[in-house]
Amino acid sequence: AQTVTQSQPEMSVQEAETVTLSCTYDTSESDYYLFWYKQPPSRQMILVIRQEAYKQQNATENRFSVNFQKAAKSFSLKISDSQLGDAAMYFCAYRSASRRGNTPLVFGKGTRLSVIA
Amino acid sequence: DTAVSQTPKYLVTQMGNDKSIKCEQNLGHDTMYWYKQDSKKFLKIMFSYNNKELIINETVPNRFSPKSPDKAHLNLHINSLELGDSAVYFCASSLILAGAHNEQFFGPGTRLTVL
Repeated sequence: AQTVTQSQPEMSVQEAETVTLSCTYDTSESDYYLFWYKQPPSRQMILVIRQEAYKQQNATENRFSVNFQKAAKSFSLKISDSQLGDAAMYFCAYRSASRRGNTPLVFGKGTRLSVIA
Repeated sequence: DTAVSQTPKYLVTQMGNDKSIKCEQNLGHDTMYWYKQDSKKFLKIMFSYNNKELIINETVPNRFSPKSPDKAHLNLHINSLELGDSAVYFCASSLILAGAHNEQFFGPGTRLTVL
């Protein structure tokens, strides 16, 4: 079974600074997808960024980018120019790319990010 | 305009009661999921339905019974509620396309409190 590990239960960053959240995963599969979800106090789950394992290029979405190291099974999230609205729980998630395509997400335990004004 | 909706958003009930949580999606998706988020914020899959067919049934007590009357709805019925059932339950949906990332869209969650 796949597992996702987020080793930082809590992180903090000064407004406008950059922060990196760590995620490692364990799998024997070669084809899969990785995601970062944000959960603000409203508890809504919001997709921040995704990465297909077969792509070598790191995904980028505005201020959010990932460092995907497939051999090391590492998938970190970098938030640049941090804003107060970035304060939330961040979850790393893995999904197997089965032929049927309906595999569930496997989540890490989350990292609570605080942004200091 | 709500993509994935859940009712109710909050549910407070006594131990031993039976309750249901409803989920509806208007995205035209063919697959729906129930996830449970415990008090430590850990999210875990419970069930998955594809075109009304049960695909995934994780190790969940028999007191939990999902029902999918059609592709747009996935309800969760819980019998004989226990204190440990207190959690936030998220419904999600996705459209399954082979070879695609099949993003899952989440509902707002239902916070269940069992007293």
